[in-house]
Amino acid sequence: GDSVTQMEGPVTLSEEAFLTINCTYTATGYPSLFWYVQYPGEGLQLLLKATKADDKGSNKGFEATYRKETTSFHLEKGSVQVSDSAVYFCALGPSGSRLTFGEGTQLTVNP
Amino acid sequence: NAGVTQTPKFQVLKTGQSMTLQCAQDMNHEYMSWYRQDPGMGLRLIHYSVGAGITDQGEVPNGYNVSRSTTEDFPLRLLSAAPSQTSVYFCASSYSFRGNEAFFGQGTRLTVV
Repeated sequence: GDSVTQMEGPVTLSEEAFLTINCTYTATGYPSLFWYVQYPGEGLQLLLKATKADDKGSNKGFEATYRKETTSFHLEKGSVQVSDSAVYFCALGPSGSRLTFGEGTQLTVNP
Repeated sequence: NAGVTQTPKFQVLKTGQSMTLQCAQDMNHEYMSWYRQDPGMGLRLIHYSVGAGITDQGEVPNGYNVSRSTTEDFPLRLLSAAPSQTSVYFCASSYSFRGNEAFFGQGTRLTVV
């Protein structure tokens, strides 16, 4: 079956540091790939997505590229802020109805 | 426009009790889903629906029941609560097109004692 593997956390960075959260996947067919973010006490929100190979999703300074050859969708941001502290989930699926999630990565950004 | 609304936000049950978690969306989305979130395991799909009257099982369906009589509502029933069902439950909805994002409710934190 489909599966998603994220880098183990938690991750702690200083403000303005570079962020990478690794995500690799196993899937049949051609799924869409998503990054969701969860702030404390809230539900998940879509951060960015890509629906086909070589697509780059971007939002709020975050980027991820759908790499079919390496089955990866790594999340990057050039300069993190304290307000980016949250849990980040990589996910795949045909659509939002049937998502397979990774374990989640807790990010803490210190001033 | 409320999005996806879940009730209750918190619930404590005794082992063996039953209850229904409510989920409603006002975006006219065809698809609705229930997930549970456990530490270190991400979110796992319990049941999903692609339209009124149509439901199917996800990865972890045992102990849960769903029905979808309207487009707006998708309740999740716990038939006989067990401590292993202690979790945070999220309802989500989306349009049916490929790659469409899911919109999530705020979650229900359930504790079974």
